[in-house]
Amino acid sequence: QLQLQESGPGLVKPSETLSLTCTVSGGSISSSSYYWGWFRQSPGKGLEWIGSIHYSGSTYYNPSLKSRLTVSVDTSKNQFSLKLNSVTAADTAVYYCARHPHGSGRDWFDPWGQGTLVIVTS
Amino acid sequence: DIQMTQSPSSLSASVGDRVTISCRASQSISSNLNWYQQRPGKAPKLLIYAASNLRSGVPSRFSGSGSGTDFTLTISSLQPEDFVTYYCQQSYSTLMYTFGQGTKLEIK
Repeated sequence: QLQLQESGPGLVKPSETLSLTCTVSGGSISSSSYYWGWFRQSPGKGLEWIGSIHYSGSTYYNPSLKSRLTVSVDTSKNQFSLKLNSVTAADTAVYYCARHPHGSGRDWFDPWGQGTLVIVTS
Repeated sequence: DIQMTQSPSSLSASVGDRVTISCRASQSISSNLNWYQQRPGKAPKLLIYAASNLRSGVPSRFSGSGSGTDFTLTISSLQPEDFVTYYCQQSYSTLMYTFGQGTKLEIK
């Protein structure tokens, strides 16, 4: 059974970089059939897609976050990561990772990690 | 961006009721619409994909329909564990996935 688990600091200072890792277990991240995505959820903005990556390194990002965002993959560790720089209080949210097929409208997200709360505060 | 609007935002119902949640897209998205269920403090879970396909393991009381701009999620007979929040998500625009704002189902 495929499982995803987010990890990383729960507190980040304003203007610094938010870094999270998603570890995949019960399956390989190196499946050509899937992309791996990051999402966040805050009371003010609901569910928001952040960006996605394929094991080959191909990425696509939410245009509103693109200038601050890097998503990378480490196939040797079966992990993918998120770096969001120059954070503000508006980046406070629960961050999730999830797997998804890609293309031809088949981009549904399943399964999801349990989520990790990141608070931006000085 | 394609905007997704759910209605109602909250809904009161009783165990055993049949309920329908609506999701409208700001432009046609064919059948590229997915539904999720989220329990408090938990991650969303996929219920329905491609508008009407029930994810394996999801109870058959859940069903989805629609195409173009208008979609519905129907729960045929509410169970106590169904009183949580539901989200729709469009996968038509693969450059920018968007979700509805959610519908919270409450016990009357």
